[in-house]
Amino acid sequence: DAKTTQPNSMESNEEEPVHLPCNHSTISGTDYIHWYRQLPSQGPEYVIHGLTSNVNNRMASLAIAEDRKSSTLILHRATLRDAAVYYCILQLYSGGGADGLTFGKGTHLIIQP
Amino acid sequence: DAGITQSPRHKVTETGTPVTLRCHQTENHRYMYWYRQDPGHGLRLIHYSYGVKDTDKGEVSDGYSVSRSKTEDFLLTLESATSSQTSVYFCAISESNNRVAEAFFGQGTRLTVV
Repeated sequence: DAKTTQPNSMESNEEEPVHLPCNHSTISGTDYIHWYRQLPSQGPEYVIHGLTSNVNNRMASLAIAEDRKSSTLILHRATLRDAAVYYCILQLYSGGGADGLTFGKGTHLIIQP
Repeated sequence: DAGITQSPRHKVTETGTPVTLRCHQTENHRYMYWYRQDPGHGLRLIHYSYGVKDTDKGEVSDGYSVSRSKTEDFLLTLESATSSQTSVYFCAISESNNRVAEAFFGQGTRLTVV
């Protein structure tokens, strides 16, 4: 299975942009890149996903490298509520099963006031 | 918020006793999953279901069984709890298993086996 590599932790200041990197050098052409985050004492929640083109939604932006071997989740203006563990996940498709999500250890994002 | 309810939210049980955790959804999603989360391991898939009475094993299924007799309920059973099963358990649901499907997670059940 394709794997992802993320920094263990990152720190940023409130109201500043945050760029969370993810390396996935063994990604296949059919793998989607998903990001989830987990706030303290809660279950993970979906943030964004993409295949090749950059994507924007109300929560964040996803920038995908042209060779798809890396991606960056961008929080445009971090708030204290964005402090969480962020997971970069490659969504595989078996065609017959329900694989689920393969979580790594993620990046622990710390936001300083 | 997606309608997912896990029960109980917290449980302490003794080694060797059976334990059943329940996941209930009101979204009518086809796919349901049980994960466990331990320090240093992230979330790991235990079992999943792709329909009523249709279930399969995940990465860490030993010591666990599941059942799904109704679309809305997915039960996780520890037949004889061990201390290594002390963990936080999360249920998730998904409408589809395709590559763009979004998964919704419950609030988790903290299980302690003493």
